[in-house]
Amino acid sequence: GAVVSQHPSWVICKSGTSVKIECRSLDFQATTMFWYRQFPKQSLMLMATSNEGSKATYEQGVEKDKFLINHASLTLSTLTVTSAHPEDSSFYICSASPGANTEAFFGQGTRLTVV
Amino acid sequence: QQQVKQSPQSLIVQKGGISIINCAYENTAFDYFPWYQQFPGKGPALLIAIRPDVSEKKEGRFTISFNKSAKQFSLHIMDSQPGDSATYFCAAVRGGYQKVTFGTGTKLQVIP
Repeated sequence: GAVVSQHPSWVICKSGTSVKIECRSLDFQATTMFWYRQFPKQSLMLMATSNEGSKATYEQGVEKDKFLINHASLTLSTLTVTSAHPEDSSFYICSASPGANTEAFFGQGTRLTVV
Repeated sequence: QQQVKQSPQSLIVQKGGISIINCAYENTAFDYFPWYQQFPGKGPALLIAIRPDVSEKKEGRFTISFNKSAKQFSLHIMDSQPGDSATYFCAAVRGGYQKVTFGTGTKLQVIP
């Protein structure tokens, strides 16, 4: 099946710094990717839709200036958490699919810890 | 509001038993219903999925039952094994398979 890879798998950063998470589709092109956030023992909540070559679409309540999304190519989307704070500590997961009516494949997730 | 409700929150089943997880949805625009399995520290992986024009789908030990009129669907895991211990999420998708709305999750523990 299709492979979606995230990097890094885990990251620790200091409060106030920024951290970038990459999401790559390894064997297919994706015009659309999705970013989710999962707090411990909770469900995955959609944060934003990443569109190649255009602005991301954010879900209600997600700060677009804090969570910067860039989808510069058909195989790469990045999520930058700016001025991170301890409450941003979470598990961030991306998904992508080869086409509009095909399955979404999920990355392995990135554990962010802000200290 | 939670668009996809899931129960139970946690479930303990003996090896060889049947695990049953239930979900309900509100939005009739949803047209695809996948189930995901997630192990700790990993992303979710698609387990099995169904469309609302089908009442049941079986793949190996996993069966989805779907009741369109009641807007409910369930996952049955037959002959549950310790390796099935994971968190299971039901989900719903509208218009294409990409944007997934997840249920609240069920932590399954299969004991020997």
